[in-house]
Amino acid sequence: EIVLTQSPGTLSLSPGERATLSCRASQSVSSNYLAWYQQKPGQAPRLLIYGASSRVTGLPDRFSGSGSGTDFTLTISGLQPEDFAVYYCQQYGTSPLTFGGGTKVEIK
Amino acid sequence: QGQMVESGGGVIQPGESLRLSCAVSGFTFTPFGFHWVRQAPGKGLEWVAFIRDDGSDEQYADSVKGRFTISRDNSKKSVFLQMNSLRPEDTAVYHCAAKYNSASPFDPWGQGTLVTVSS
Repeated sequence: EIVLTQSPGTLSLSPGERATLSCRASQSVSSNYLAWYQQKPGQAPRLLIYGASSRVTGLPDRFSGSGSGTDFTLTISGLQPEDFAVYYCQQYGTSPLTFGGGTKVEIK
Repeated sequence: QGQMVESGGGVIQPGESLRLSCAVSGFTFTPFGFHWVRQAPGKGLEWVAFIRDDGSDEQYADSVKGRFTISRDNSKKSVFLQMNSLRPEDTAVYHCAAKYNSASPFDPWGQGTLVTVSS
């Protein structure tokens, strides 16, 4: 099983600041099949990034994904009030599909 | 816009059974595989089960193998999760999620239904 470790667990930032979220895999993620999801309280997870760096249609370009192999990053350039949420990475290339433990981005 | 709505959750005693449903609308049902993902209160996401687009393959997390069964009814555009021998550690919000093929992530997701296993 591929274990995904997200860091930090919590990121305290002010609106307008840059958020850098890390996701490290215990082994190489097949074909860089790495996704990022955003989840707000009481809501379903929402797909943001797939294939490590492809944004879903309509996602603001302040969100960007990068990385390959075992190290991946989600960057949010210029946090907006609606971006404060929990973010999960997921590898969907190797069964069992696995999620990271999440990073909470909170208002400082 | 695709939509997935789960139902069937509730409060149940350890050892009992429950069947969850996920109704799909707004996109073509049959090409998609479907997954169940759960989230214990205040915790992260845990993959539970998968069923292939044609129902020919099912996969389960070790934590539920032998107790849970996933199924689908293409005519009703619905996915089900039969949960037997429930344990307190199965307490979670259960989400269904669609996956188009092996190269696709989960999208869309349902909002989930809460299952509470408690005596």
